[in-house]
Amino acid sequence: AQRVTQPEKLLSVFKGAPVELKCNYSYSGSPELFWYVQYSRQRLQLLLRHISRESIKGFTADLNKGETSFHLKKPFAQEEDSAMYYCALHGNQFYFGTGTSLTVIP
Amino acid sequence: SAVISQKPSRDICQRGTSLTIQCQVDSQVTMMFWYRQQPGQSLTLIATANQGSEATYESGFVIDKFPISRPNLTFSTLTVSNMSPEDSSIYLCSVEEGYTGELFFGEGSRLTVL
Repeated sequence: AQRVTQPEKLLSVFKGAPVELKCNYSYSGSPELFWYVQYSRQRLQLLLRHISRESIKGFTADLNKGETSFHLKKPFAQEEDSAMYYCALHGNQFYFGTGTSLTVIP
Repeated sequence: SAVISQKPSRDICQRGTSLTIQCQVDSQVTMMFWYRQQPGQSLTLIATANQGSEATYESGFVIDKFPISRPNLTFSTLTVSNMSPEDSSIYLCSVEEGYTGELFFGEGSRLTVL
């Protein structure tokens, strides 16, 4: 069965520290994986997708098929990164994780 | 990118009543999606609204409880019928533009059932 797991509901880091938001997935086919973000008082929006291999706002995510993971990383967290982050898998529909609330402490 | 207007943004309703949520997109899209996000939970797909045909419901969701209309390529409504406190949730309208795999979301409708 398709499933996306984000083990951390809450994550706090200090400004300038590295941050990693974990995401593991279960999918029988070849997955398309995404990270969506929701900033305070804004709507949910796409942050990045694995096929583009881009760095968006300093964030990167590498698909590890062996570990079935798609962790989101940023080397130096900024206060404006504080938001809710959702990992999502696109199979026959979109499957979302439960989200991780990131707080960057000044 | 698609711009989605969703209303109401929030409402407080009495048990047993029904509420209709509207979703307007600024461009024509083939499929529109309705999600539910219960407190502390993930986004769960309720149904896919197809223009000109009945909506496709996911397991655990039925048309009698969540009737959907899709009169044209830019508009859809979701009705939450005979509400109970368990229906208290955020309901989100979403579209996928082209086949990019990117979803665009409305601002959500926060529903509280007393």
